[in-house]
Amino acid sequence: DQQVKQNSPSLSVQEGRISILNCDYTNSMFDYFLWYKKYPAEGPTFLISISSIKDKNEDGRFTVFLNKSAKHLSLHIVPSQPGDSAVYFCAAADTGNQFYFGTGTSLTVIP
Amino acid sequence: DVKVTQSSRYLVKRTGEKVFLECVQDMDHENMFWYRQDPGLGLRLIYFSYDVKMKEKGDIPEGYSVSREKKERFSLILESASTNQTSMYLCASSSRGLNEKLFFGSGTQLSVL
Repeated sequence: DQQVKQNSPSLSVQEGRISILNCDYTNSMFDYFLWYKKYPAEGPTFLISISSIKDKNEDGRFTVFLNKSAKHLSLHIVPSQPGDSAVYFCAAADTGNQFYFGTGTSLTVIP
Repeated sequence: DVKVTQSSRYLVKRTGEKVFLECVQDMDHENMFWYRQDPGLGLRLIYFSYDVKMKEKGDIPEGYSVSREKKERFSLILESASTNQTSMYLCASSSRGLNEKLFFGSGTQLSVL
């Protein structure tokens, strides 16, 4: 059973606008959440993370929001750039150092 | 710069062959993982290891085995490759502890014909 879900397989956004990628999880024991970016034929690279004690974490153009009561997190990219076009994976970690990944959202930023 | 190195970027094998995928990390990480990525299915955990000589099954271990004889090296073995094992294989490592992130290798695209 998928414990981390990304319900949107794809998203298209105009360059300069905001991209919002969503992720839901079911296990309340998850205490650390991460976003990874993946280009074709490459391994995923770490983008940004958030601990369960926070509700927001910002790094440049990337912001992750966590809503624990809704078991929902989102990644905001502002402004979106063509180089942001990639597959984005949401991941959740438990205290046992196990990581659970969503199925990914393919973001296309249109110039 | 931290690194997880996978021995091959692309590999083509025949059905029934024994396949070895090698992964080495230079970060002295305790934890190592093997995932496979398939379109629409995301990253699925095959096996992981928290220490030398230790291994644990992930979500899809059938048809695979692993070996961790040294801390820095984690090998994935396909005992008898089948066409449904055609996939992108990703090795990753992490430190033991709270709020540690996974570092991935660049992946091996395996085609089984």
